[in-house]
Amino acid sequence: NAGVMQNPRHLVRRRGQEARLRCSPMKGHSHVYWYRQLPEEGLKFMVYLQKENIIDESGMPKERFSAEFPKEGPSILRIQQVVRGDSAAYFCASSPGQGFSGANVLTFGAGSRLTVL
Amino acid sequence: DQQVKQNSPSLSVQEGRISILNCDYTNSMFDYFLWYKKYPAEGPTFLISISSIKDKNEDGRFTVFLNKSAKHLSLHIVPSQPGDSAVYFCAARAQKLVFGQGTRLTINP
Repeated sequence: NAGVMQNPRHLVRRRGQEARLRCSPMKGHSHVYWYRQLPEEGLKFMVYLQKENIIDESGMPKERFSAEFPKEGPSILRIQQVVRGDSAAYFCASSPGQGFSGANVLTFGAGSRLTVL
Repeated sequence: DQQVKQNSPSLSVQEGRISILNCDYTNSMFDYFLWYKKYPAEGPTFLISISSIKDKNEDGRFTVFLNKSAKHLSLHIVPSQPGDSAVYFCAARAQKLVFGQGTRLTINP
């Protein structure tokens, strides 16, 4: 039973390009969360999705960032026109149950490290 | 607004001794607290949790203590082992899971 799979593990982009990060949740998990870790900081919540629905995007920057979790395929975090400040590790997590309730524990992937030149 | 704070960026402990990692929070609506452990180049892995209705939860060498009046929780690891060297994140849950900045624990042989 594979865990949460993220790819690519490392991505290098030049300023102004687009970055696409993919996340396949654990088998049986239908809830996906994206977190970002800037250097020397903790993990910051970005967005919580279920299949075909964005449940909470309160942590997403208002511009250039979008996320989706289609009926088929992985969840995708998309960053348009990247800037140097977008350089960070982006972690995806999944859970079987509803969001942040009960004893629901998030299982994290290994992360995608984005470097913007 | 940092709702969950880990004020010690790093901690060094001798192998076999007790490691105590601390975490403070400000939001009284948090109802669940978790500790995650992270090795370099890996994602955080869940370690132990505690509900806000309890004050202690123990799992093997790991014990989490919660002091609601002080809005403080701590993770005790005893005895500490070299494999415990990692970054430890405290997290608290209200509408979402909020993480502290992490404490880098180094266990010295």
